[in-house]
Amino acid sequence: KNQVEQSPQSLIILEGKNCTLQCNYTVSPFSNLRWYKQDTGRGPVSLTIMTFSENTKSNGRYTATLDADTKQSSLHITASQLSDSASYICVVSASNDYKLSFGAGTTVTVRA
Amino acid sequence: DTGVSQDPRHKITKRGQNVTFRCDPISEHNRLYWYRQTLGQGPEFLTYFQNEAQLEKSRLLSDRFSAERPKGSFSTLEIQRTEQGDSAMYLCASSLAIQFATNEKLFFGSGTQLSVL
Repeated sequence: KNQVEQSPQSLIILEGKNCTLQCNYTVSPFSNLRWYKQDTGRGPVSLTIMTFSENTKSNGRYTATLDADTKQSSLHITASQLSDSASYICVVSASNDYKLSFGAGTTVTVRA
Repeated sequence: DTGVSQDPRHKITKRGQNVTFRCDPISEHNRLYWYRQTLGQGPEFLTYFQNEAQLEKSRLLSDRFSAERPKGSFSTLEIQRTEQGDSAMYLCASSLAIQFATNEKLFFGSGTQLSVL
C-alpha cells in the first residue's frame, strides 16, 4: 500500500527562525514528490515538484530535498515569516497511477 | 480570478438531505479531480475525470456519491441522503496533462466545507 508519513505533526517556531519538515514514503513505482502549503480553510498550493533525478529544489525561502534511495524528503523553511503559518503536505505520485498519495501534513505556527 | 473555483464555500445541511457542489476548473485544463479532506488529515482521492470521461472512482465514493463533468468543463459532485460522516472539506483540483503523464502540476480550489447536522 502506498503510504506517506510526515513528521512532526506540528511545530511552533519564532519569526525569523528556520525549520525542517520530514516526509517518508513507500510509494512505488516512484514518479515525483510534491510539497504543498495549505492555509486554514483554503486549498493546497504547490511549492515544489521533484522527480527521481532531482535532489533539491527551491522556491524562495522554501527548499525541498529528495533522497529517492531512502525514500525520504525534507522541506526547509528559511527565515520564517508569520505568513508561513500553515499546514505543509507531502504528496507522492506513482508512475502507474493518476492518484496522489497525501501525507497528513505538518502544521507550522510562526509566532512573533 | 482564473484559478479553480468551487461553489458554495460552505454548506450546512441536515442528515438525509441531498447536496450538490460545483467546480469550475482552470480553462483548458483536461483533468479534474475531487478529493475529500477531514480535519488534521491530507486529502483523500474520490474521483478523476479526463475531459468528460470519469476514469476512476475511489472505494470511498459510495453509491450515494455521484460526479459528472458534462462537456469536459465544470464538474458537479452530488451526495444523496447525507450522513454525519460526510462532513468534510471537498476539494476540486485541475491540471493540464499529456496522456499517461503523472507529473503535471495540480491547482486546487478553496474547497467546499460540508457540515451535516
